[in-house]
Amino acid sequence: GAGVSQTPSNKVTEKGKYVELRCDPISGHTALYWYRQSLGQGPEFLIYFQGTGAADDSGLPNDRFFAVRPEGSVSTLKIQRTERGDSAVYLCASSLGGSTEAFFGQGTRLTVV
Amino acid sequence: AQKVTQAQTEISVVEKEDVTLDCVYETRDTTYYLFWYKQPPSGELVFLIRRNSFDEQNEISGRYSWNFQKSTSSFNFTITASQVVDSAVYFCALAPGDNAGNMLTFGGGTRLMVKP
Repeated sequence: GAGVSQTPSNKVTEKGKYVELRCDPISGHTALYWYRQSLGQGPEFLIYFQGTGAADDSGLPNDRFFAVRPEGSVSTLKIQRTERGDSAVYLCASSLGGSTEAFFGQGTRLTVV
Repeated sequence: AQKVTQAQTEISVVEKEDVTLDCVYETRDTTYYLFWYKQPPSGELVFLIRRNSFDEQNEISGRYSWNFQKSTSSFNFTITASQVVDSAVYFCALAPGDNAGNMLTFGGGTRLMVKP
């Protein structure tokens, strides 16, 4: 597709369950970013990939959160033992390089009940 | 540490009024980028502008203009002759000036409501 694609668009899960959120960046974009946006707040940085490697994961809140990008394209954000506080919109963005304009997907709304 | 403050949480104007959205930032970096994004009800963040810290020239794009004042650490955004379609949440953001130029620190956002 032409833009950043995130699936699913909505995910409802029970507390304690494991979830995976997927991001398909724009073709050819080497940089990929995950952000989390809680209701009524600005997005918060989680992790930045340059190619296959995580260049900066300083925003991941704890070790229940993990992200991979094995082939340098699609990325998966994984959350273990979900908690109600994890409920938020998870946004993905990609850019040609680290310092060019980033394009955001429409996000995955995660609700933990 | 980096911080972005958008003191106005919500602004309501009548169509055709001009409106200015304030943004104040804090950073210890000598080189950095400043951004504005628009988030309409659909939820997708729409890029509006990126400004390098070395470029203090103000910029105008159609009805949009930006005023960068390094001396006061502010990067304000003005919409001239506002329209109903401008209704959205607007975010100011800051990023380091190295190759991680999109590791953004966002402000809390300003919700703009333009009434007909």
